[in-house]
Amino acid sequence: QVQLVESGGGVVQPGTSLKVSCAASGFTFNSYGIHWVRQAPGKGLEWVAIVWHDGSNQYYADSVRGRFTISRDSSRNTVSLQMNSLRAEDTAVYYCARDCTGGSCLDYWGQGTLVTVSS
Amino acid sequence: DIQMTQSPSSVSASVGDRVTITCRASQGVSSWLAWYQQKPGKAPKLLIYDASSLQTGVPSRFSGSGSGTDFTLTISSLQPEDFATYYCQQANSFPRTFGQGTKVEIK
Repeated sequence: QVQLVESGGGVVQPGTSLKVSCAASGFTFNSYGIHWVRQAPGKGLEWVAIVWHDGSNQYYADSVRGRFTISRDSSRNTVSLQMNSLRAEDTAVYYCARDCTGGSCLDYWGQGTLVTVSS
Repeated sequence: DIQMTQSPSSVSASVGDRVTITCRASQGVSSWLAWYQQKPGKAPKLLIYDASSLQTGVPSRFSGSGSGTDFTLTISSLQPEDFATYYCQQANSFPRTFGQGTKVEIK
């Protein structure tokens, strides 16, 4: 069965960096794009980034472009989100999710990992 | 960026009621529209994609309609397990954007 498992969340200070990861299993990893979506405490969903199935393209939300980098490692079936210059407003649960075939939705989601940016 | 606006923000309903949630895009997204259900402390779950296609395993009481800028999610007969928050999301262009959510509460 399709599984996405996030890891790497934690408490960090403003201005520092953190890397969160998403381990994928149960499907042909190289055939699907992977998204990151975040949710601040008590708030709605915010799309963050996507990496293409082959790693050839990435897109970012305006709020993170230039600070966050999404990448994938096909040898380990993982997708990472490197987050630099973190701000208090980046505090959220970060979910990874699989892109639907055809790219019109996100069909499988992980359980999320909490990132807290606080001094 | 395409802005997605849902209405209402919350709705109180009883088991067996018909519930309708609308989603409006700031510009046309064709049929590139998905709906998700999220329960507290859980990841979102895909319900509808391509505006009206039911995801495998989702009960048929859920349906979606619309194209262009105006979309609707309908729950034909609300069940206890349907009390949750619902989000629309456009997939026409990047950045992908979600609506602000509609909370379906028990009346």
